[in-house]
Amino acid sequence: GQNIDQPTEMTATEGAIVQINCTYQTSGFNGLFWYQQHAGEAPTFLSYNVLDGLEEKGRFSSFLSRSKGYSYLLLKELQMKDSASYLCAGEGPREAAGNKLTFGGGTRVLVKP
Amino acid sequence: GAVVSQHPSWVICKSGTSVKIECRSLDFQATTMFWYRQFPKQSLMLMATSNEGSKATYEQGVEKDKFLINHASLTLSTLTVTSAHPEDSSFYICSASRPVYQETQYFGPGTRLLVL
Repeated sequence: GQNIDQPTEMTATEGAIVQINCTYQTSGFNGLFWYQQHAGEAPTFLSYNVLDGLEEKGRFSSFLSRSKGYSYLLLKELQMKDSASYLCAGEGPREAAGNKLTFGGGTRVLVKP
Repeated sequence: GAVVSQHPSWVICKSGTSVKIECRSLDFQATTMFWYRQFPKQSLMLMATSNEGSKATYEQGVEKDKFLINHASLTLSTLTVTSAHPEDSSFYICSASRPVYQETQYFGPGTRLLVL
């Protein structure tokens, strides 16, 4: 299975760095997504990791270790608009019906001035 | 590119009525569409996976006769909540994946359903 665990809430200061950890069971796993979701809105794609290592994309970076079943999302130079929920999602197993995503509970990040 | 729309964005209905939600991929043909449900302060729960021209695959615990899914074309999938009850009130979100980039799902803006 793919139980996805991430912290419920995190608080950080504007301009700071925050790291959101995500752990999962590795059976049937193909890749790992991070999505951002503002309250009342649909999730927006942030990153997709399928290989081990760090993927950097502007202020956001995502890391994956497949052997450890571990990922993190790093948010740098925090801005007030980054206050949102961040969803970790495991992709797979790939089936004829499509590539399913299993979401973690989401981490609500509150950025304070 | 990769824009997904949903209609309606919100709906209020009486208990016992049926509600249809449309999900459209506007600038690409979607191989697969997914339907999720999200309760307040909870994460997304996959309800079913829909492929054009075939029957939807439902997740365990999701009643296929209550949540009817039709995927008539590569750009349109519909979810019909039949005989809605107050406990069906939720945020329903669809997503679609493109044939080449099957890993990434692009989400619609969601439909908020309130059943009175």
